[in-house]
Amino acid sequence: SSELTQDSAVSVALGQTVTIRCQGDSLRTYSANWYQQKPGQAPVLLIYNKNIRPSGIPDRFSGSASGSTGSLTISGAQADDEADYYCNSRDSSASHVRIFGGGTRLTVL
Amino acid sequence: QVQLQESGPGLVQPSETLSLICSVSGGSTSYSRYHWAWIRQSPGKGLQWIANVLYNGNTYYNPSLKSRALASIDTSKNDFFLRLTSVTAADTAIYFCARGIGSGSYPFDNWGRGTLVTVSS
Repeated sequence: SSELTQDSAVSVALGQTVTIRCQGDSLRTYSANWYQQKPGQAPVLLIYNKNIRPSGIPDRFSGSASGSTGSLTISGAQADDEADYYCNSRDSSASHVRIFGGGTRLTVL
Repeated sequence: QVQLQESGPGLVQPSETLSLICSVSGGSTSYSRYHWAWIRQSPGKGLQWIANVLYNGNTYYNPSLKSRALASIDTSKNDFFLRLTSVTAADTAIYFCARGIGSGSYPFDNWGRGTLVTVSS
């Protein structure tokens, strides 16, 4: 099956912009979804269909894609954005299979 | 707003079978546009998709778990289920159930809070 690769950790200064990337061959075919997970909580869907935010998700979160890379950008990072971020997509070698990236721990300085 | 709630034993003996239930409220498991998923997270680790089950009972599995996992659904009760056989310590994890959208980028848009399952004698 295919894999999605994410940087294990990223940091950003309060109020600055940060981009978290997800790389994998499946993303040439399928869009990435992005989730935020805080300690002790379930993941929350942030972005789907490339750049759609579910109701209630702040507009400082945005998504984009290029080739085999999907990106999540947080514009004006807040302290509350400190969390783990996961990408996921369908597996291009088996479309019914779902795959997740390993997650990126975001620290807001 | 749909809500999902996992239930099951917190402790399972090695080599035994893990059985979980996800109870869905505020929405119907009979709608064809949704997939119903099991996802787990080992302590301190990332997310691993286990299986999807559809309203009609069709199932799809993570190839690495396919030989041991069995997902099913009871739309009359609005519940879906996971059985995982021959468990080992490596199956210790928080198990989440989630609703998946069956179109577009196929996101998981609603999640249960998760239930911790420990495999230990």
